[in-house]
Amino acid sequence: AQSVTQPDIHITVSEGASLELRCNYSYGATPYLFWYVQSPGQGLQLLLKYFSGDTLVQGIKGFEAEFKRSQSSFNLRKPSVHWSDAAEYFCAVQGGKLIFGQGTELSVKP
Amino acid sequence: NAGVTQTPKFRVLKTGQSMTLLCAQDMNHEYMYWYRQDPGMGLRLIHYSVGEGTTAKGEVPDGYNVSRLKKQNFLLGLESAAPSQTSVYFCASSTGLAASGNEQFFGPGTRLTVL
Repeated sequence: AQSVTQPDIHITVSEGASLELRCNYSYGATPYLFWYVQSPGQGLQLLLKYFSGDTLVQGIKGFEAEFKRSQSSFNLRKPSVHWSDAAEYFCAVQGGKLIFGQGTELSVKP
Repeated sequence: NAGVTQTPKFRVLKTGQSMTLLCAQDMNHEYMYWYRQDPGMGLRLIHYSVGEGTTAKGEVPDGYNVSRLKKQNFLLGLESAAPSQTSVYFCASSTGLAASGNEQFFGPGTRLTVL
């Protein structure tokens, strides 16, 4: 069965620092992978997605993610975090249906 | 182009009351979904629809019913609300099958509290 694990429930980084949010998935074939962001009180917005091809994908707001098949991972990165990036981030895998991870809440220190 | 909209935004119910949540999309999407979001559990699929007049169960369907009488609308009903149904409910839509990697577009959510 497909599943997604986000090991970090909450992460705090300083503004301007780099960010990496971890995501591990379980799926029998090559999955479709997504990262969504949810700002407080808002719905989910798609940051980026991986379907096939280049394993490093670029998204909106300066985010990128790298698909590593050998590690079953799809980690999200940003070189320099802005205060407005504070939100909850969800990794999702889409095989038969879209399955979400538990989410990682990002706090940004001034 | 409003995308996916949800009505109402907030609601408080007493145990045993019923209510209907409305989701509407103006993107002509065939597929629509209802999720619930609970702390530490991500989003879980309640029911979904692959086209007008069709519905199917998701991961956590018990206590909910749905209807898709019009392509643009997807209704989620709670016949007898329970405190365990306190949650934030999200509707989503997509052009095609999840297995084909179609992106889902989400509404802003409905925050429901059952006392």
